[in-house]
Amino acid sequence: DTTVKQNPRYKLARVGKPVNLICSQTMNHDTMYWYQKKPNQAPKLLLFYYDKILNREADTFEKFQSSRPNNSFCSLYIGSAGLEYSAMYLCASSNRGYAEQFFGPGTRLTVL
Amino acid sequence: SQWGEENLQALSIQEGEDVTMNCSYKTYTTVVQWYRQKSGKGPAQLILIRSNEREKRSGRLRATLDTSSQSSSLSITGTLATDTAVYFCATDALSNNRIFFGDGTQLVVKP
Repeated sequence: DTTVKQNPRYKLARVGKPVNLICSQTMNHDTMYWYQKKPNQAPKLLLFYYDKILNREADTFEKFQSSRPNNSFCSLYIGSAGLEYSAMYLCASSNRGYAEQFFGPGTRLTVL
Repeated sequence: SQWGEENLQALSIQEGEDVTMNCSYKTYTTVVQWYRQKSGKGPAQLILIRSNEREKRSGRLRATLDTSSQSSSLSITGTLATDTAVYFCATDALSNNRIFFGDGTQLVVKP
């Protein structure tokens, strides 16, 4: 089973309100990722967890937070959504040392 | 940025035609992966080619890698309407955990 699940699939949020997105995987992968994808752009890595260690990309460091309560679950948290956060958010997982990442279907976030 | 000349491109072809998509990258990579993203789904890996390989085949897919010019290509022979998707190449910039996507190619295959 190579399934990565994301909830919700669609999320509507108000400017200034928090947003929490959820991802789960059943492959026992040690690494989980969050990407932001906007139309006609490449998926942009926001952060990833290797085991219990969170690594956030430098240019998005203060904008996103994450938690990984166990190996299977990972969340992406936006404390105060802005219009610029409207995008598709993709979760992926892999094992360290293996290049292939397995992606979920994404959560489409619209901030109004 | 890891990426050179790869802004989102759009290609529209007829079913049965062959197609080649290209990408170039700036920094060294140990592998180049090609991913496909269909509408409503996340990206899925199609093929991986290592830096010591020049060509890799998988079914109707053929990937090439030229490390001297830091470029890669993905060819699909005998395209099907179901090949309609966005195709991304991705490199690792020697990172053990991270991959970096190019902007992708939007391919439309008309039946």
